This record gives sequence, structure tokens and C-alpha cells, in this order.
Amino acid sequence: ILNVEQSPQSLHVQEGDSTNFTCSFPSSNFYALHWYRWETAKSPEALFVMTLNGDEKKKGRISATLNTKEGYSYLYIKGSQPEDSATYLCALNSGNTPLVFGKGTRLSVIA
Amino acid sequence: DAGITQSPRHKVTETGTPVTLRCHQTENHRYMYWYRQDPGHGLRLIHYSYGVKDTDKGEVSDGYSVSRSKTEDFLLTLESATSSQTSVYFCAISQKAGGSQETQYFGPGTRLLVL
Repeated sequence: ILNVEQSPQSLHVQEGDSTNFTCSFPSSNFYALHWYRWETAKSPEALFVMTLNGDEKKKGRISATLNTKEGYSYLYIKGSQPEDSATYLCALNSGNTPLVFGKGTRLSVIA
Repeated sequence: DAGITQSPRHKVTETGTPVTLRCHQTENHRYMYWYRQDPGHGLRLIHYSYGVKDTDKGEVSDGYSVSRSKTEDFLLTLESATSSQTSVYFCAISQKAGGSQETQYFGPGTRLLVL
């Protein structure tokens, strides 16, 4: 079973702070990397899909980068707001198998 | 939002009883998945389907079975529920496995409590 690691497990930041967290994966089993946002009591929602080394994606204040050679992706949130509080999941696509999800980073933004 | 519904949304049952959860999609996506969500474990794949009557096991398939007789419906059955199967169950769909089209879209979840 492929291992997708996310760190930190949880994070508390003040409103207005910028933050980032990491998704690590086996670089030898890479096809695509997905990021999801999962609010409490809701369903996970897709944020980004990245496939190429050096990819950068952005949606509003949230952006992500990808390094397939060393096997990691960073998710950045600029100027965190309380509504950014959620669990952020990354998932590895290693070919013709279902996505392998990390356990997530739980972000709490304190007003 | 992708057209995915799950039923029931909440269920309380007793140990040893059979339970069936239903996932219904209106997107005509080929792939369907069942996950469970538990504290400290994130999302864990139970079973998935890659077409009508085509299913495969996931990471935590013991104690669960699935069936897919139509493209739009994917059923998850707990033959004899145990307390360890108390969880939130999510269904997901995707157009295909591999590539950006494997983005999965999730249903609203079913909360199951086994007493």
C-alpha cells in the first residue's frame, strides 16, 4: 500500500497569518497529485490536480506547488480567514488504481 | 455539485443486524467508491467499482460487501454489523481511474451508529 504523509497533523493560526503544509509521497509512483478541502460536517471538495513537476496552481488565496522528483507538494494559504478552517487532504494517483489519501492537515483559523 | 446522494443519511442499528447503504449518482460516471471516515485515520477505502458488476476490495474491506447492478447505484452491505463499524461512510464517483479525470466527487455521507 502506498504511503501518503501529511504534516503537520493539525495547525492553529491567527486570522491574517499565512500558512503552509506538506504532502509527501513516493516519487517513484507518481501520476497526479490531488488536493481536497474538507469542512467539518461536509464532504471533501476538490481544490487542485497537479501532474507535472514544478506545477503551481492557485485558487484565490490558496495555492499549491509540486515536486515530483523529491515527492512532495506544498499547500499555501495567504492571509488565513476563519472560513479557511477545514481539513486539507492530499491524494496520490499512481496510475490505474484508486486515489490514495493522506490523513489530512486540520487547520483552525482563530479570529 | 455532482449529483450524488446517499441513503440513509443517519442510521442507528444493533450489533449483528444487516445494514445496507445506498449511493446513487446521476452523472453516469464509471467509477464509484465507498470510504469510511474515522478520527485519526482520515478516509479509508472499503470497496470500489469500475463498472456494472465489476468491483474490487480496498484497504478495509473485511466485514463489508458491495454490489453494483446499475451504473447509477452502488450498495454497501454490512452483513452483520459490529460496533467497530460505527463510522461516517462516504460514497464518491469519478469518470475514470488515472489522470485528472480521476478527481473524485463525494456524496454527503452517512452516519452509522452500531450499538
